[in-house]
Amino acid sequence: QVQLQQSGAELAKPGTSVKLSCKASDYTFTSYYLYWVKQRPGQGLEWIGYIYPENGANYYSEKFKGKATFTADTSSSTAYMLLGSLTPEDSAYYFCARLGLRGVLDAWGQGASVTVSS
Amino acid sequence: IQLTQSPSLLSASVGDRVTLSCKGSQNINNYLAWCQQKLGEAPKLLIYNTNSLQTGIPSRFSGSGSGSDYTLTINSLQPEDVAAYFCYQYNTGLTFGSGTKLEI
Repeated sequence: QVQLQQSGAELAKPGTSVKLSCKASDYTFTSYYLYWVKQRPGQGLEWIGYIYPENGANYYSEKFKGKATFTADTSSSTAYMLLGSLTPEDSAYYFCARLGLRGVLDAWGQGASVTVSS
Repeated sequence: IQLTQSPSLLSASVGDRVTLSCKGSQNINNYLAWCQQKLGEAPKLLIYNTNSLQTGIPSRFSGSGSGSDYTLTINSLQPEDVAAYFCYQYNTGLTFGSGTKLEI
């Protein structure tokens, strides 16, 4: 069964960075796009962007350009998202999700909480 | 494309048939999916391409719709169906609805 296991909760100060991880298992990591999604309580979900682990190609939605940076380690089947220059508006849950062969996000990580506070 | 889900909160009883709505600001061409999200768990894909049931999902879940209007139906509501449900479209980019919280 496809699994995406995300790293734990983060507490960070404004202006700093956090790096979230998403470890994939039970599928060929390099063959599927990996998306990142932001969820703030009461505000729904937002698409941040995606990475194709095989070659590292990535795409960021306009709102998150300069905020998020995606990388992937194929040796450990792990994707990463670096969030920089943190502000309180970056406090949210962040999910990774696999884009399946049908063009739909068919597997999700359990989410990672990021809290930005001084 | 913006997605509007309604209602935001739905209370129902075990055994009920419930319908959740997802309306787009334009035609989604049936590229509409539904996910179930329980607190602290990974979201789970239920329905894709409007009405295709994801493998392993109980048949009491079904989807329908066309154009800009889509519906998730749960027949014979079960206690384990308590969750938030969100829709998302992947016809043009990727956007999500604001969700419906289902309680029993």
